Amino acid sequence: SQELEQSPQSLIVQEGKNLTINCTSSKTLYGLYWYKQKYGEGLIFLMMLQKGGEEKSHEKITAKLDEKKQQSSLHITASQPSHAGIYLCGAGPYSGGGADGLTFGKGTHLIIQP
Amino acid sequence: EADIYQTPRYLVIGTGKKITLECSQTMGHDKMYWYQQDPGMELHLIHYSYGVNSTEKGDLSSESTVSRIRTEHFPLTLESARPSHTSQYLCASSEFSRDATNEKLFFGSGTQLSVL
Repeated sequence: SQELEQSPQSLIVQEGKNLTINCTSSKTLYGLYWYKQKYGEGLIFLMMLQKGGEEKSHEKITAKLDEKKQQSSLHITASQPSHAGIYLCGAGPYSGGGADGLTFGKGTHLIIQP
Repeated sequence: EADIYQTPRYLVIGTGKKITLECSQTMGHDKMYWYQQDPGMELHLIHYSYGVNSTEKGDLSSESTVSRIRTEHFPLTLESARPSHTSQYLCASSEFSRDATNEKLFFGSGTQLSVL
């Protein structure tokens, strides 16, 4: 079955600094999703990547899917307190993600220090 | 903005009680899901539905049951709550296409369940 490994598990960054979160898959990814979750709340969709080498940006967040489609990175430029939360990557069922829906990694807890 | 709603937001209940967690969406999505998430852990799919009168079990075995009588409504029921059921329950929906290789999920805000 699909396994998604996220690193780091947690990250403390000073406000204004850049940071990168990684998501590595045990299988080829046919769709990689990035979500953000505030503690104790639901998930907010950030981006979906499908093609090898694809890169998407939204405001100060950029996500990439590598050519081999087994790893994705999420990069935040000039971090702000609003970026704090849990970032999760997810893979769809056609990536071997299970019965249906999405399979998620354990998440990266991001703390922004003022 | 996703139009998917979960109630209650928080629920503290005693062992043995029957509870129903509500989930409604106004997007007309056919596919709906229930995920369970323990603190600091990954989400696990426990139930999903392709549409009205369709219910399927997910990857994680669960003592809960679901029903789908209306497109917009996908309630989850625990007949007899136990402390081991304490967790966060997240509902999600997506547009269903049999030809789609990917699907974007919209999530509700979740229900934090505590069973004493």
